[in-house]
Amino acid sequence: ETGVTQTPRHLVMGMTNKKSLKCEQHLGHNAMYWYKQSAKKPLELMFVYSLEERVENNSVPSRFSPECPNSSHLFLHLHTLQPEDSALYLCASSQVLAGDYEQYFGPGTRLTVT
Amino acid sequence: QKEVEQNSGPLSVPEGAIASLNCTYSDRGSQSFFWYRQYSGKSPELIMSIYSNGDKEDGRFTAQLNKASQYVSLLIRDSQPSDSATYLCAVTSGYSTLTFGKGTMLLVSP
Repeated sequence: ETGVTQTPRHLVMGMTNKKSLKCEQHLGHNAMYWYKQSAKKPLELMFVYSLEERVENNSVPSRFSPECPNSSHLFLHLHTLQPEDSALYLCASSQVLAGDYEQYFGPGTRLTVT
Repeated sequence: QKEVEQNSGPLSVPEGAIASLNCTYSDRGSQSFFWYRQYSGKSPELIMSIYSNGDKEDGRFTAQLNKASQYVSLLIRDSQPSDSATYLCAVTSGYSTLTFGKGTMLLVSP
């Protein structure tokens, strides 16, 4: 276990549903990340929160909405998703100090949009 | 656009051999470099980090960095079937962010 937990581990949702993914880190880190991993593609960074402020949003569609209420918790709110959004969604955390960017991943949520 | 290139493989090696995994990156400003191992259906696991030119050894793993050539490699000595996985190379690409390669699949046959 890396100290990063994610729930749910599996999620099947229709295109009209609204759901949320949750991530919690127990490592005392100050930065958290959402990634999308699709087959045959590299990990795609979606959102970065550092010290609870969003510092990066990589042109992610508005149907994905992140929330970071504190340095230990990160959410990804989902609504009106498309089938191509089916993927493994990974949360990671790191301690952002000078020259230290080691990221530790949670187990992921396998999302299927029907 | 910042890129990290890896041969997708599969790289097949017999048990006990040395596996050599390679990675090139485009951003000359990258300062930190990482190797992750990802088993099928699992999330990436950090196995090595390297920050300066040269070699860094940790058990059976050796990471090698050559910033002038923009090249990072991972050597796995005495490869075991349990090493069969996809290995992801990642480099820093901005404030607290990493860019990942697509990964190289390694298959170690008994």
